[in-house]
Amino acid sequence: KQEVTQIPAALSVPEGENLVLNCSFTDSAIYNLQWFRQDPGKGLTSLLLIQSSQREQTSGRLNASLDKSSGRSTLYIAASQPGDSATYLCAVTLNTGFQKLVFGTGTRLLVSP
Amino acid sequence: DAGVTQSPTHLIKTRGQQVTLRCSPKSGHDTVSWYQQALGQGPQFIFQYYEEEERQRGNFPDRFSGHQFPNYSSELNVNALLLGDSALYLCASSSSPGQGYEQYFGPGTRLTVT
Repeated sequence: KQEVTQIPAALSVPEGENLVLNCSFTDSAIYNLQWFRQDPGKGLTSLLLIQSSQREQTSGRLNASLDKSSGRSTLYIAASQPGDSATYLCAVTLNTGFQKLVFGTGTRLLVSP
Repeated sequence: DAGVTQSPTHLIKTRGQQVTLRCSPKSGHDTVSWYQQALGQGPQFIFQYYEEEERQRGNFPDRFSGHQFPNYSSELNVNALLLGDSALYLCASSSSPGQGYEQYFGPGTRLTVT
């Protein structure tokens, strides 16, 4: 059974810091991995999608890497801003032919001015 | 271009009642998946619909059922509500039931069972 773990569960940093969020998964037979952002009580916003054949994806101040063999992904946020405060979720698509996402429990990020 | 929409936004029901949640996929998308997110947890997969059929189902009881209409919109029905069904219900759409396609999520429906 695929299990996804995110560390740390919560993170508080001052504005301007660079930070790394970690995601690990137990079964390397994934098709892709997505990072999402969720504001309190809201839906999910897709940030980055990494196919299993890719090593990393970048969007603005965000960079996500994927090491499928070791079952790890990292989300790097450069020059953090208070507007980055949210919960960040990673999810893997199982290699089963269907788009079932398996999520971690998220990292709650607070960036203080 | 409208994204994924869900209705209602919030809902309060009593134990034992039945509820129907609705989802309209992003324009051009034909596959809809439903997820349940309890407070402080990651979303859990309920089921996926494509071509008006349930393609895959997560570990949820038969009290959870769904439907997809010819216009690709979808409904999630929950019967005999339990307190533990209180959660944020998320709908996601994509352009194919196959792998590799990015999924887009709606704003969710907050269900409270009292």
